Amino acid sequence: KNEVEQSPQNLTAQEGEFITINCSYSVGISALHWLQQHPGGGIVSLFMLSSGKKKHGRLIATINIQEKHSSLHITASHPRDSAVYTCAVFSGSRLTFGEGTQLTVNP
Amino acid sequence: KAGVTQTPRYLIKTRGQQVTLSCSPISGHRSVSWYQQTPGQGLQFLFEYFSETQRNKGNFPGRFSGRQFSNSRSEMNVSTLELGDSALYLCASSLTRQGPTEAFFGQGTRLTVV
Repeated sequence: KNEVEQSPQNLTAQEGEFITINCSYSVGISALHWLQQHPGGGIVSLFMLSSGKKKHGRLIATINIQEKHSSLHITASHPRDSAVYTCAVFSGSRLTFGEGTQLTVNP
Repeated sequence: KAGVTQTPRYLIKTRGQQVTLSCSPISGHRSVSWYQQTPGQGLQFLFEYFSETQRNKGNFPGRFSGRQFSNSRSEMNVSTLELGDSALYLCASSLTRQGPTEAFFGQGTRLTVV
């Protein structure tokens, strides 16, 4: 069993739909990152969370430390949101990554 | 403020050769971590340096090594390259390794071993 598990692995949505990507982890963490990677592009950290909820534009990330679970929500999705979204947990001084969710938003 | 800079962006090497990749962190950041991304294994932690000391190492063979200089720039070296070493190598810098800290990623170096 991986220390960090994401679901779904692949997600196809229509433009405007509300999207949720889930991340569960089994280790003690000090923080959790949500990362975005466009095809051929670099990795961008969208959020770093250690508790509660953060919002940036159409993106919302939540974390429940007791349940060891985090979600990334995208409201009013757009084709430019198509990318791989990965959660990564900070445990000790290293990041451990989920397998990523490939999101495709069709116009 | 400049971001994390990795050089070179692309590299092609033959089996058996060695390669050195460079990462310049964000100014003031003292922690640099290296990660390997492959289609089969996803993103995996290689090692982390803080103030010129390797503080953590992932499960990679001894062919993978690194170092950090006094200006926090870091290099990663892979010796006796194998085809399976073909990957995107990413580095991330952080302000400090004490407590939760945001990691900023470079664009990566895409290494192809032929």
